[in-house]
Formats: sequence, structure tokens, C-alpha cells
Amino acid sequence: GEDVEQSLFLSVREGDSSVINCTYTDSSSTYLYWYKQEPGAGLQLLTYIFSNMDMKQDQRLTVLLNKKDKHLSLRIADTQTGDSAIYFCAESNQAGTALIFGKGTTLSVSS
Amino acid sequence: EAGVTQSPTHLIKTRGQQATLRCSPISGHTSVYWYQQALGLGLQFLLWYDEGEERNRGNFPPRFSGRQFPNYSSELNVNALELEDSALYLCATGLSGRTPTDSYTFGSGTRLTVV
Repeated sequence: GEDVEQSLFLSVREGDSSVINCTYTDSSSTYLYWYKQEPGAGLQLLTYIFSNMDMKQDQRLTVLLNKKDKHLSLRIADTQTGDSAIYFCAESNQAGTALIFGKGTTLSVSS
Repeated sequence: EAGVTQSPTHLIKTRGQQATLRCSPISGHTSVYWYQQALGLGLQFLLWYDEGEERNRGNFPPRFSGRQFPNYSSELNVNALELEDSALYLCATGLSGRTPTDSYTFGSGTRLTVV
């Protein structure tokens, strides 16, 4: 079945870049997603990438996709304390009827 | 425009009881997805309702059930509660027949604690 793996914790200093990594299993996923969850809140879509793309940039966010290795990463430039949150990688299940999420990476940003 | 609303925000039940969680979608959204976010397990897909029908179900026992009402709001019922059912239950809503680029909109969740 589909599975999405992420490292659980990342700690960075304010102003540094953060890189959150994810591996997925379903090579047929058309889109891959990054969601952000702030404390006490639901998930918010940050960005997504189409599977035929290698990279997508959106302001401070850069998504890199290595389809051969089934590896997805999210880079946050100039990380701010407000970026502290849990970041989830997600792919569609094979039927396209649900999103499959990783366990989430807790990003801690210190000033 | 109101977002996705979930109620109650917190719920405490004893083992063996039943819990009912509610979700109201954003206006115009007809699909409702339920996820369980248990500590250390990430988000696990529970159920998907669209246009009043159950369309897909995750790997959960039958005591997890739900329904969608004509106004597209939804209820999640958990019977015979077990301690490991303690989790944050998130509802997400979306457009019917959504394309992959249509994002879900998540509610803030119901924190269910089973004691």
C-alpha cells in the first residue's frame, strides 16, 4: 500500500534555511503536497508539485522532486520563528480518493 | 466566509461509550474527509463522504462510522470507545469531483480523550 515517510524533528536557527525531506511509495501519484499545521489548528496547504516537474519555487518555499528515488523535499529560505509548525508531506492514494500523509516533521526555529 | 467548523472542540468519554463528532463544510463544498491524528501515528485516513454517500474508507474497524446529511455536514461516530481512540479527529472538506490541485480545507479538529 501507499506509505509516506518523514523525519520527525528538525531544529534550525532563525535566518537559516530549513530542508524537510520525505519519501513516498506510490510512483503513480500525479501530485505531491506539503501541508503545514500550526499548534491547535488544522492543516493548511502550503504548496504542491506535479509529478512531471523537478522543482517548484514559491517565494521562500522550494520543492524538489526526485521521481526516480521517490524523494520529495521542502526548503524554507530565511526561516522565521513563525515557521515553527508541523509539516506534512502527502500523496494521493492509487484510486485518487484520499490523501496519504506522512507522520509530520516538527520544525523548531530558535532566535 | 466561514471555514470548516468542527464540534465539539474537546470531548472526554469513558471506555465503552460512544462519541459523536460533527463537521460543517465550507459553503459549496460537498465532500467531507475524516482523519485521525493520533500521537506518533500522523494522519490516518478514516472516511470520505461525497454527495451524501460513503465513497471510501480507511483501514479502521466498523465501530468507526459516519454519515453525511443533505446539507453536506457530516457526523463521525465511534462506538465502544477504546483508550487508543484518543486522538485529534480532523475533518477536511472539498469540492465534489475535486481535481488533485483542489486543496482540502481542514477544520481545527475535535480532541477526543478516552479515559
